[in-house]
Amino acid sequence: AQTVTQSQPEMSVQEAETVTLSCTYDTSESDYYLFWYKQPPSRQMILVIRQEAYKQQNATENRFSVNFQKAAKSFSLKISDSQLGDAAMYFCAYKGRDRDDKIIFGKGTRLHILP
Amino acid sequence: GAGVSQSPSNKVTEKGKDVELRCDPISGHTALYWYRQSLGQGLEFLIYFQGNSAPDKSGLPSDRFSAERTGGSVSTLTIQRTQQEDSAVYLCASSRQAQMNTEAFFGQGTRLTVV
Repeated sequence: AQTVTQSQPEMSVQEAETVTLSCTYDTSESDYYLFWYKQPPSRQMILVIRQEAYKQQNATENRFSVNFQKAAKSFSLKISDSQLGDAAMYFCAYKGRDRDDKIIFGKGTRLHILP
Repeated sequence: GAGVSQSPSNKVTEKGKDVELRCDPISGHTALYWYRQSLGQGLEFLIYFQGNSAPDKSGLPSDRFSAERTGGSVSTLTIQRTQQEDSAVYLCASSRQAQMNTEAFFGQGTRLTVV
């Protein structure tokens, strides 16, 4: 069965600095999708970024980018120029290619932004 | 009404009572998930519905928990004989599962407090 591991329960970063959140996963599939979700204090989960496993190019969305290492089964999220609004719980997630595959979430990393 | 809607947003109940939590997914989304999130913690998977397939109930913590999805749309999570440890935020998510790359869209959650 697929698993998603986020080994950092909490992290802190100074405002305007760069931080990287780690995520590893386990799968025997070659084609799948990976996601990073953000859950701010408002509780509303929103998608930050997604990556297709068959694409070698790392996805980027403004200040958010990923470092996707398929062989290592690693999918880290880099947040550049951290802002106070980035303070949230971040969840890494995996979805297999089968239509019936459910999305599997990691346990999350709580990110604190220090002013 | 483009988003996932959950009701009620807050529910306070007495220990031993039954509660029903409702989720209205996005129209056309065939997949529906229920998660439980204790204060400041990660997502605990409860149950997954996908189209006409048998639901994946592997995350339900006890037989006091059940869920149904009527007509492939609205879902109800029922907790019988509530206990104080059931206090948490219950999140619902839906996705258009026919596409592998589709992300899950989350509702705002129901905060359940058992007193």
